[in-house]
Amino acid sequence: QQQVKQSPQSLIVQKGGISIINCAYENTAFDYFPWYQQFPGKGPALLIAIRPDVSEKKEGRFTISFNKSAKQFSLHIMDSQPGDSATYFCAASRASSNTGKLIFGQGTTLQVKP
Amino acid sequence: DTGVSQNPRHKITKRGQNVTFRCDPISEHNRLYWYRQTLGQGPEFLTYFQNEAQLEKSRLLSDRFSAERPKGSFSTLEIQRTEQGDSAMYLCASSSTKQGAPPFGQGTRLTVV
Repeated sequence: QQQVKQSPQSLIVQKGGISIINCAYENTAFDYFPWYQQFPGKGPALLIAIRPDVSEKKEGRFTISFNKSAKQFSLHIMDSQPGDSATYFCAASRASSNTGKLIFGQGTTLQVKP
Repeated sequence: DTGVSQNPRHKITKRGQNVTFRCDPISEHNRLYWYRQTLGQGPEFLTYFQNEAQLEKSRLLSDRFSAERPKGSFSTLEIQRTEQGDSAMYLCASSSTKQGAPPFGQGTRLTVV
């Protein structure tokens, strides 16, 4: 079974702090790793994505760190804000065949306290 | 709004009834995906189209489910003889062949009572 395991299930961070969410995958054929943000009642929105040829990618306050040998990747949210309170999903796919066929993690509910 | 559009946003139906959802992709996107998301879980892949051809179906897509994409534009997902276990958010996404992660629509929330 192709799986992506995500942790923690929930996370509480103070405003201005760093939120860290971790994911691990099993299938070495995966070569595209996006992160999505989802607010209640809404569809997931793409935040940032990485391919395994780089170890880190940063966009604004969001950074993905990637460890190919460990088959792990993580999302860091710097200077976390109450507006970042949402559910975050990591995902994986095979860019060589179809980046849109995604295997999602179980999600992390982030609460940023003011 | 030039994003992925889904209708209706909410649907409540009685068990045993048929329901149909519609997805309008971003106009230049030739790939269209359907996902299902149950409460507290990540989305799960159901099926995808490239133009009008349905190229892959998940084992989650039982024979009560059928998806179409006539003329390679909008798509419909029909569920026949709905069951309570079908209650979920049904999400649509679209992309072009060389694009990365696809954008999703707002979803259709189905409640089977």
